[in-house]
Amino acid sequence: AQTVTQSQPEMSVQEAETVTLSCTYDTSESDYYLFWYKQPPSRQMILVIRQEAYKQQNATENRFSVNFQKAAKSFSLKISDSQLGDAAMYFCAYRNYGGSQGNLIFGKGTKLSVKP
Amino acid sequence: DSGVTQTPKHLITATGQRVTLRCSPRSGDLSVYWYQQSLDQGLQFLIQYYNGEERAKGNILERFSAQQFPDLHSELNLSSLELGDSALYFCASSVRPGMAETQYFGPGTRLLVL
Repeated sequence: AQTVTQSQPEMSVQEAETVTLSCTYDTSESDYYLFWYKQPPSRQMILVIRQEAYKQQNATENRFSVNFQKAAKSFSLKISDSQLGDAAMYFCAYRNYGGSQGNLIFGKGTKLSVKP
Repeated sequence: DSGVTQTPKHLITATGQRVTLRCSPRSGDLSVYWYQQSLDQGLQFLIQYYNGEERAKGNILERFSAQQFPDLHSELNLSSLELGDSALYFCASSVRPGMAETQYFGPGTRLLVL
């Protein structure tokens, strides 16, 4: 069974600085998807970024980028120019590719605080 | 706003009771997923429906059941409630499973069992 591990329960960053959140996963599949979701205090789950395992290029969405290391099964999220609104829980998630089942497997989350 | 709606937003009930949580997927989405978020278990997948049919089951208790109706809305039924069932229940929808589309989450239903 696939598992997702986030080893940093809490992280803190100064406003305008850069922070990296770590995620590792375990799977025997060669094709899959990886995601980072943000959960602010409102509890809404918001997709931040998505990476397809078959793509070598790291995904980027504005200030958010990932470092995807397939061999190491590592998928870290880098937030540049951190803003107060980035304060939230961040969840790393895995999903198998193809087939009829597309449920997400989540890590335990990292709580990010942003200091003004 | 993701386009996924869930009702009610909050639910307080007693042990042994039964409740129904409702989810309306985004327009055009055929697949619905239910997830439970609790302090001890984190975010866990419960069950998935696609176009009215059950597609996958996760860590869903036998006391829980779900269905997806012809209009594609879904309901999650929780019965014989226990204190440990207190959690945030999310519904997510996507166009179809197994493809590269994104799952969009609703705002969740917060269930408190007293």
